[in-house]
Amino acid sequence: QVQLVESGGGVVQPGRSLRLSCAASGFTFRSYAMHWVRQAPGEGLEWVAVISYDGSNKYYADSVKGRFTISRDNSKNTLYLQMNSLTVEDTAVYYCAREGIRWRIVGYFEYWGQGTLVAVSS
Amino acid sequence: QSALTQPASVSGSPGQSITISCTGTSSDVGGYHYVSWFQQHPGKAPKLMIYEVNDRPSGVSNRFSGSKSGNTASLTISGLQAEDEADYYCSSYTSSNTYVFGTGTKVTVL
Repeated sequence: QVQLVESGGGVVQPGRSLRLSCAASGFTFRSYAMHWVRQAPGEGLEWVAVISYDGSNKYYADSVKGRFTISRDNSKNTLYLQMNSLTVEDTAVYYCAREGIRWRIVGYFEYWGQGTLVAVSS
Repeated sequence: QSALTQPASVSGSPGQSITISCTGTSSDVGGYHYVSWFQQHPGKAPKLMIYEVNDRPSGVSNRFSGSKSGNTASLTISGLQAEDEADYYCSSYTSSNTYVFGTGTKVTVL
């Protein structure tokens, strides 16, 4: 069965960096685009970034553009999110999510991980 | 990119039908067929309920249905059940090659 397991969250000071990972199993990882979505405590969902199945295309929300970088290692079945220059507004549970259709990016978030909490605080 | 607009809360009695609206613009909801709906119970990850406006993933009850008219998409839950009490979010592809979620709707089963 499809499994997505995020890791790398924790408490970090403003201005510092953190890298999240999402380990995928139960499907052919290299065939699917992957997303990061976040949810601040008590708030709604916010789309963060997407990467195509082969890593050739990446798109970001305006709120993280220039600070966050999405990447993937298809040989390790792992998705990453490098987060730099963190601010308190980046405090959230970060979810990775898999597209529902192979090869394409259509925002059909079919499978989700359990999330990892990032808390930015001094 | 502004969040899509959803009502903060909707309620209904068991067995009734409720509809949740999701209003965007011609640059997102109105311009594309890529509207999805998600259910989220407290402390849990979101679950896909509807994709591409009105398609249901395997395993999702046919009590859930989606539609769209102009810049507004809708999710209808028929035969409301206690287990349907949750937060619901819509999402849409946008003209900027990005995605936007709705503000979220809390569904209460009376």
